[in-house]
Amino acid sequence: ETGVTQSPTHLIKTRGQQVTLRCSSQSGHNTVSWYQQALGQGPQFIFQYYREEENGRGNFPPRFSGLQFPNYSSELNVNALELDDSALYLCASSSRAGGLVTDTQYFGPGTRLTVL
Amino acid sequence: QKEVEQNSGPLSVPEGAIASLNCTYSDRGSQSFFWYRQYSGKSPELIMSIYSNGDKEDGRFTAQLNKASQYVSLLIRDSQPSDSATYLCAVVSGGGADGLTFGKGTHLIIQP
Repeated sequence: ETGVTQSPTHLIKTRGQQVTLRCSSQSGHNTVSWYQQALGQGPQFIFQYYREEENGRGNFPPRFSGLQFPNYSSELNVNALELDDSALYLCASSSRAGGLVTDTQYFGPGTRLTVL
Repeated sequence: QKEVEQNSGPLSVPEGAIASLNCTYSDRGSQSFFWYRQYSGKSPELIMSIYSNGDKEDGRFTAQLNKASQYVSLLIRDSQPSDSATYLCAVVSGGGADGLTFGKGTHLIIQP
């Protein structure tokens, strides 16, 4: 167990809907990264949050957005869902101090999103 | 574009033997390297991290890094059926704000 939690565990939505996924980081960690993992593929980096700001972003469209809260927990929001958004969404927490990233990332259990 | 390449397998190894998993990466600026294990339907679990050229050992696992050849490997000694999983190689470049770049993973099967 990493101490990173995610909710919900599973979610079914229809095309065009919006979804919010939640993540609580491991104690002592202040950075949250989100990944999308399609079946049979490695996780793909969506974005990273540090000090409540987006700190880096992968090749995902603007309909993927996020938030980080003062307690370092985070949300991933996806608007206008498409069938290809069906995937396992993973949250990972890590720590950063003094501008240096301790970049070892620990993953939560994931949220399985199915878009019909 | 940063890429991480792994042989997707499946790689079949007899119980008790050494399993050898390999990974190459394209970005010479990469600084941190990780191996994760992922069981079917579960999330990735960190096994090893390595930052410097050479070998790093942790129990039955040894990670090897060769930055000149842009090559990372993971050796699993005395392989057990519980080691059967997908092994993901991940790389971080620069300050880490680009996140982890993963390979597609190697499916390892340990045959009893």
